[in-house]
Amino acid sequence: EAGVAQSPRYKIIEKRQSVAFWCNPISGHATLYWYQQILGQGPKLLIQFQNNGVVDDSQLPKDRFSAERLKGVDSTLKIQPAKLEDSAVYLCASSPGLAGLFQETQYFGPGTRLLVL
Amino acid sequence: GENVEQHPSTLSVQEGDSAVIKCTYSDSASNYFPWYKQELGKRPQLIIDIRSNVGEKKDQRIAVTLNKTAKHFSLHITETQPEDSAVYFCAASKGGSYIPTFGRGTSLIVHP
Repeated sequence: EAGVAQSPRYKIIEKRQSVAFWCNPISGHATLYWYQQILGQGPKLLIQFQNNGVVDDSQLPKDRFSAERLKGVDSTLKIQPAKLEDSAVYLCASSPGLAGLFQETQYFGPGTRLLVL
Repeated sequence: GENVEQHPSTLSVQEGDSAVIKCTYSDSASNYFPWYKQELGKRPQLIIDIRSNVGEKKDQRIAVTLNKTAKHFSLHITETQPEDSAVYFCAASKGGSYIPTFGRGTSLIVHP
């Protein structure tokens, strides 16, 4: 089974520039997550999709961050304009998305390491 | 919202010793508690998880215990090996919202 794919793996930009990240979840997984992991900290959820609908985006800085999941498969996360504090690893994860009482296992992609200069 | 505290932030042990990492959570409705291992520069990988309907789960050298009354859960690694060296994260979430909250991580160093 192929895992979660992300690209690019690394990105260096200057502040105020724009950047976009791409994620392809495991085939058939309905739930997709974007996390921000700052060095030395645990992942922080930015946005969660169930198919092509947003479940939660309460921690997404909407003035500069946007995300979409057209057709309920691939997803893109965009930052415009970037700030120095956006330097982090951006992780995408997916899970089957079956309805139920308990949370499901999440499978993480390799991440995109962003450096904003 | 949920708040997850993880301790210690760094843990140094000798090969063969046991290691214990503890997490507390604030939301009594949380019912799923996974543990992830993240090696330097790599993705977090699930190593074990526990759901609120059980108190303990074991998988070879790794075990997790859950105390719902006290709202804490722990990761136990026995007979540690150098390849266990990594950052370990705990998380908590609940059915319905499925919004996971992670701890800040524990850097485990196993000295040969």
